Amino acid sequence: AQTVTQSQPEMSVQEAETVTLSCTYDTSESDYYLFWYKQPPSRQMILVIRQEAYKQQNATENRFSVNFQKAAKSFSLKISDSQLGDAAMYFCAYSHYPGSARQLTFGSGTQLTVLP
Amino acid sequence: NAGVTQTPKFRILKIGQSMTLQCTQDMNHNYMYWYRQDPGMGLKLIYYSVGAGITDKGEVPNGYNVSRSTTEDFPLRLELAAPSQTSVYFCASSYSSGQGPYEQFFGPGTRLTVL
Repeated sequence: AQTVTQSQPEMSVQEAETVTLSCTYDTSESDYYLFWYKQPPSRQMILVIRQEAYKQQNATENRFSVNFQKAAKSFSLKISDSQLGDAAMYFCAYSHYPGSARQLTFGSGTQLTVLP
Repeated sequence: NAGVTQTPKFRILKIGQSMTLQCTQDMNHNYMYWYRQDPGMGLKLIYYSVGAGITDKGEVPNGYNVSRSTTEDFPLRLELAAPSQTSVYFCASSYSSGQGPYEQFFGPGTRLTVL
């Protein structure tokens, strides 16, 4: 079974600074997808960024980027120019493909605080 | 598009009671999922469905049942509620055709307390 580990229960960052959230995963599959979801206090789950395992290039979405190290099974999220609205719980998630319903396996989350 | 809707938003149950959590999506997604989120934890998969009439167990199915009679609806049934089922429940849906890391769209969640 796949597992996803987020070893930082809490992180904080000054507004406008950069922060990196860590995620490691364990799988025997070669084809899979990785995601970062954001959950603000409203509880709504919001997709931040996604990465296909077969792509060597790291995904980027505006101020959000990932460092995907397939051999090390590491998938960290970097948030640049942090804003107050980035404060939330962040979840790393794994999905196996093909041959599955692409259900997600989540890590336990990292609570990010942004300090003004 | 309303996306994924869930009702109710909050519910308190007594031990042994039963209830159904409703989930509806209007995006014509074939894949639908139910997750639970315990305090301070990530989401865990309860059940999922790849289309009308097809359901399967996830990681934590005990104490729950599902059905999928239409593409749009995927209700979750709790029988004989127990305090261990106190949690926030999320329904989600996603595309199913072709390849790609398709995003799962989540509903707003139902906070359930069993006393």
